Amino acid sequence: SQTIHQWPATLVQPVGSPLSLECTVEGTSNPNLYWYRQAAGRGLQLLFYSVGIGQISSEVPQNLSASRPQDRQFILSSKKLLLSDSGFYLCAWSVQEEVNQPQHFGDGTRLSIL
Amino acid sequence: AQKITQTQPGMFVQEKEAVTLDCTYDTSDPSYGLFWYKQPSSGEMIFLIYQGSYDQQNATEGRYSLNFQKARKSANLVISASQLGDSAMYFCAMREGYGGATNKLIFGTGTLLAVQP
Repeated sequence: SQTIHQWPATLVQPVGSPLSLECTVEGTSNPNLYWYRQAAGRGLQLLFYSVGIGQISSEVPQNLSASRPQDRQFILSSKKLLLSDSGFYLCAWSVQEEVNQPQHFGDGTRLSIL
Repeated sequence: AQKITQTQPGMFVQEKEAVTLDCTYDTSDPSYGLFWYKQPSSGEMIFLIYQGSYDQQNATEGRYSLNFQKARKSANLVISASQLGDSAMYFCAMREGYGGATNKLIFGTGTLLAVQP
């Protein structure tokens, strides 16, 4: 069966520090991968998605970047965090070309910027 | 532009009763998919149910059913026999377009459901 791992679960970082959140998927190959951010009490905002290694699409201009160095690895990064980067970050995967399939989410990372 | 609207910020329901969570959508694409997710306080997003725009019957998954009214562009989630563990945030989502590789979803703002004993 497929599983998705996301870490860390919780992170507290000072303003201006770098960020690296990692997400890996097991049990499937060539998945679509997604990074979302959820502000407190709000819906999900799609930040990045990837349909293959090295292929990253950005949905909103921001202080963050994403990379996909391996087929089942998706990394969210920042060189210098802002206070506005605080939130709950969720990684998700879905089967490519199967448009009736849901996205499956990791457990999320709660990021607090001080 | 495609859009998902959930007009109920919060709902209360008595244990063992049924509850309907509203979702309306807007799209000009004839092919689309609608999804419902549950988010407990722990934060994970749990997929509940899917309805395709061409599906003839309303989707059902255990205690969850989707009241799909295509002409009204609504896809309401019905939870029967509510349980205390159903207390959570519920999100409606729509897949953009049909075909292609991306399978991106647009999410509504969610409805917070509280089940009372």
